[in-house]
Amino acid sequence: GNSVTQMEGPVTLSEEAFLTINCTYTATGYPSLFWYVQYPGEGLQLLLKATKADDKGSNKGFEATYRKETTSFHLEKGSVQVSDSAVYFCALLTGGFKTIFGAGTRLFVKA
Amino acid sequence: GAGVSQTPSNKVTEKGKYVELRCDPISGHTALYWYRQSLGQGPEFLIYFQGTGAADDSGLPNDRFFAVRPEGSVSTLKIQRTERGDSAVYLCASSQGGRNRGADTQYFGPGTRLTVL
Repeated sequence: GNSVTQMEGPVTLSEEAFLTINCTYTATGYPSLFWYVQYPGEGLQLLLKATKADDKGSNKGFEATYRKETTSFHLEKGSVQVSDSAVYFCALLTGGFKTIFGAGTRLFVKA
Repeated sequence: GAGVSQTPSNKVTEKGKYVELRCDPISGHTALYWYRQSLGQGPEFLIYFQGTGAADDSGLPNDRFFAVRPEGSVSTLKIQRTERGDSAVYLCASSQGGRNRGADTQYFGPGTRLTVL
């Protein structure tokens, strides 16, 4: 079946450090891939997405590239800020209507 | 323009009771989703509505769970004979409902935290 695996947290970084959160997926067909973010006390919101292989999604300095050959969609940011502290969810959507989410990775950024 | 709203924000009930959770989607959004999020986990799909009809209810865990959207806007998730294992945050999301679902951004509500004692 379809599934998403992302690195376990928490991830703790100092401000301005480089961030990578790994995400790999298993899916039939050609899924669309997403990163969602949940800031403390707020609802889940879409961070970025990519709908086909080799597409790069980007937003707020975050990037992720849809790699079909490695079935991956790793999230990266060159210089994190304290305000990036949140839980990040990788997700996929295949031909139907079900979005499948990973378990989430909590990021703490220290000043 | 208001986002997706959910009421109540918190619900505490006793095992065996009936509960209703409400979702008000963004105005004009034809697609509506319900998810359940247990502690430390990602959201788990429950049901999807396109307009008034449930296009996919395969995520509902059993027949104690039911959802309606009679006028294609507000939706209610109903849980009968609640069990302690139903305790979770129930999330609602809506989207425009365009044909290209891969590009269809879902907007999430703040959730209802359900606690079954």
